Amino acid sequence: DIQMTQSPSSLSASVGDRVTITCRASQNIKMYLNWYQQKPGKAPNLLIYAASSLESGVPSRFSGSGSGTDFTLTISSLQFEDFGTYYCQQGYSTPLTFGPGTKVDIK
Amino acid sequence: QIQLVQSGAEVKKPGASVKVSCKASGYTFSNYGISWVRQAPGQGLEWMGWITSYNGDTNYAQKFQDRVTMTTDTSTSTAYMELRSLRSDDTAVYYCARDISVAAPNWFDPWGQGTLVIVSS
Repeated sequence: DIQMTQSPSSLSASVGDRVTITCRASQNIKMYLNWYQQKPGKAPNLLIYAASSLESGVPSRFSGSGSGTDFTLTISSLQFEDFGTYYCQQGYSTPLTFGPGTKVDIK
Repeated sequence: QIQLVQSGAEVKKPGASVKVSCKASGYTFSNYGISWVRQAPGQGLEWMGWITSYNGDTNYAQKFQDRVTMTTDTSTSTAYMELRSLRSDDTAVYYCARDISVAAPNWFDPWGQGTLVIVSS
């Protein structure tokens, strides 16, 4: 199985800050990497698919980059509504696997 | 709009089975797969498997291979996930999600609202 790791596990940042979350795969997954945001008590919501494609309706302050084993989710200017837990997920091979999540709090 | 609506919460005893439904609307059901993902209390996300009504193919995570059955009813655009021989560590919120591909699981959008399954004696 492909193992996914994320760093940091949590962060606290101010509105307007630039926030970067890193995801690493245990083997080459090309660009089969997706990002989700989950708020407490809610289902996850797709933000980025195929490493860098922005899902329709997702604000342009979210962006993704990377390929192979190292990936990044960037929020260019953090907003109040961006609190929650962010998960990466590989779609390269089954079983599909998720990273452990990065919890984002607003200072 | 595209929507997945899941069945309500369940409480089951250890050893029992549970069957969760997921009714899709707003898109052509057979053009996409459905993946099932669970989340134990306070924990992360765990992919359980995938099904497509296009040709009935399934792909189960090995961890659940012996205990899970995923089916679809194309006449009602509904997917089902049955988990047998329930244990206390199966207590979780179970999500269905539309999978972008009919060929193999890839990414999920949108998700159902989740179904809480509690396993307790």
